[in-house]
Amino acid sequence: GDSVTQMEGPVTLSEEAFLTINCTYTATGYPSLFWYVQYPGEGLQLLLKATKADDKGSNKGFEATYRKETTSFHLEKGSVQVSDSAVYFCALRGGGADGLTFGKGTHLIIQP
Amino acid sequence: DAGITQSPRHKVTETGTPVTLRCHQTENHRYMYWYRQDPGHGLRLIHYSYGVKDTDKGEVSDGYSVSRSKTEDFLLTLESATSSQTSVYFCATLGLTAYGYTFGSGTRLTVV
Repeated sequence: GDSVTQMEGPVTLSEEAFLTINCTYTATGYPSLFWYVQYPGEGLQLLLKATKADDKGSNKGFEATYRKETTSFHLEKGSVQVSDSAVYFCALRGGGADGLTFGKGTHLIIQP
Repeated sequence: DAGITQSPRHKVTETGTPVTLRCHQTENHRYMYWYRQDPGHGLRLIHYSYGVKDTDKGEVSDGYSVSRSKTEDFLLTLESATSSQTSVYFCATLGLTAYGYTFGSGTRLTVV
């Protein structure tokens, strides 16, 4: 079946540092890929998405590129802020509408 | 946003009692989902619905049932709650033309 693997953390960085959160996936066919963010006590919010190979999703300074050859969708941000502290989930959707497959989540902590 | 409301937001119940969680949406989205979120597991799909009275099992459906008698409401029932069902439960919807899913704010359920 489909699966998503991501570093769990916690990942602790200083403000203005460069961020990379790795995500790799296993899926049949051509999945759509997503990054969701969860702030404390809240639900999940879509951060960015990519629907085909070589697509780059971007939002709020975050970027991720759909790499089919390496089955990866790594999340990056050039300069993180304290307000980026949250849990980040990588997810994929296969061809149907039977839900998303999530990674275990990466807890990101940004220190001032 | 899809306008998803989950109720209750918090609940404490005793082992062996039945519990029903409600998800209400105002966007007329066809697809609805129930996930549970546990540390070290990310989000896992419990059940989903692709229309009124049309439902199917997800990855962790044992001990749970669902019903969808109206487009806007998707109910999750724990017939006899167990401590292993202590979790945070999220409802999500998917619009026909959307690539992303919209999540509710979650229900924190504690089974004692």
